[in-house]
Amino acid sequence: EAGVAQSPRYKIIEKRQSVAFWCNPISGHATLYWYQQILGQGPKLLIQFQNNGVVDDSQLPKDRFSAERLKGVDSTLKIQPAKLEDSAVYLCASSPRGDFFGYTFGSGTRLTVV
Amino acid sequence: GQQLNQSPQSMFIQEGEDVSMNCTSSSIFNTWLWYKQDPGEGPVLLIALYKAGELTSNGRLTAQFGITRKDSFLNISASIPSDVGIYFCAGFNYGGSQGNLIFGKGTKLSVKP
Repeated sequence: EAGVAQSPRYKIIEKRQSVAFWCNPISGHATLYWYQQILGQGPKLLIQFQNNGVVDDSQLPKDRFSAERLKGVDSTLKIQPAKLEDSAVYLCASSPRGDFFGYTFGSGTRLTVV
Repeated sequence: GQQLNQSPQSMFIQEGEDVSMNCTSSSIFNTWLWYKQDPGEGPVLLIALYKAGELTSNGRLTAQFGITRKDSFLNISASIPSDVGIYFCAGFNYGGSQGNLIFGKGTKLSVKP
């Protein structure tokens, strides 16, 4: 079974620029999550999708972050404009039904804002 | 919001030694999980605990779900160099179609051969 695919692996941008990350979940997984992991901390949920609908985006900084999962499969997370404090690893995860079983993380995208 | 306090923050041990780390929460969780994260990778599940008081083993790893449902510990016996990494506890509550993992800050384990 293929895992959760994310790209790019690394990205360096200047503050105030825009950036987008892509995630392709495990085939058949209805639920998709984006987490932010700042250096030295555990991952923190940004947004959860169930199919193509948003279930929880309470911790997403909506003034600069946006995410979509238009066809209920792959997803894009965007930051516009980026700030220095957005430097982090952005992890995508998916699960079959939204509960714990089969919850799988991708390898993440490491973003550095300079 | 919910927070998990994980300790110790880091450990530097000799190969063959046993390791113990723990996690406490201000809130109750229905499920406790322990993950390991290697550099450049996402967290990988080690052990899942579903019931208060439950003690579960996975090879050299043993974890327990606290009776109060607000704490958990992980033990690693006879550590080896490949145990190096960051270990995270996570709590999980599932309701309706909504559920997400609340992570601790991690315990960084270094093993000296």
